[in-house]
Amino acid sequence: AQSVTQLGSHVSVSEGALVLLRCNYSSSVPPYLFWYVQYPNQGLQLLLKYTTGATLVKGINGFEAEFKKSETSFHLTKPSAHMSDAAEYFCAVSERDYGQNFVFGPGTRLSVLP
Amino acid sequence: NAGVTQTPKFQVLKTGQSMTLQCAQDMNHEYMSWYRQDPGMGLRLIHYSVGAGITDQGEVPNGYNVSRSTTEDFPLRLLSAAPSQTSVYFCASSVSQYSNQPQHFGDGTRLSIL
Repeated sequence: AQSVTQLGSHVSVSEGALVLLRCNYSSSVPPYLFWYVQYPNQGLQLLLKYTTGATLVKGINGFEAEFKKSETSFHLTKPSAHMSDAAEYFCAVSERDYGQNFVFGPGTRLSVLP
Repeated sequence: NAGVTQTPKFQVLKTGQSMTLQCAQDMNHEYMSWYRQDPGMGLRLIHYSVGAGITDQGEVPNGYNVSRSTTEDFPLRLLSAAPSQTSVYFCASSVSQYSNQPQHFGDGTRLSIL
């Protein structure tokens, strides 16, 4: 069965600084990988996804993530943080050919300091 | 386009009471699911449905029932509420059951059991 770990339950960055949110997964078959963002009192919104093809994936709001098979990682980055990026971020994995079986990580809360 | 709509947004119950959390989607999505979100645990799958008339259990199904009589609606029933069911509940839908398809989430129902 697949699993997801997110290093750091809370990350703080200054406005304009690099954002790096870590995600590592385990999967017995090639995975599909997703990042979702959750703003307060809202549901999760898809930021980006990796299914096939290019391992560097660009998403909304200037975020991107790179799938590294050798490191079983799918870290989320943004070159310059904005105050509006403050939210909780979830990494999720699903296994190919096994139907919808998302497993979500525990989440990382991002704070952006002025 | 409303997407995924959940009602109510907030609810307080007493132990032993029953209630139904409503979920409706207007995107003609085949796949629907219910998650609960607890601090530090990410989202855990309760039940899911791959189409009208078809439901199955997820990771944490005990104490919950679902049905899917139409494509649009997927209600979640708490049979006899317990304090351990205090959580935020999210309904999600996806165009299909294939694991490369992202899920679209409602805004959640915040449920407290006293």
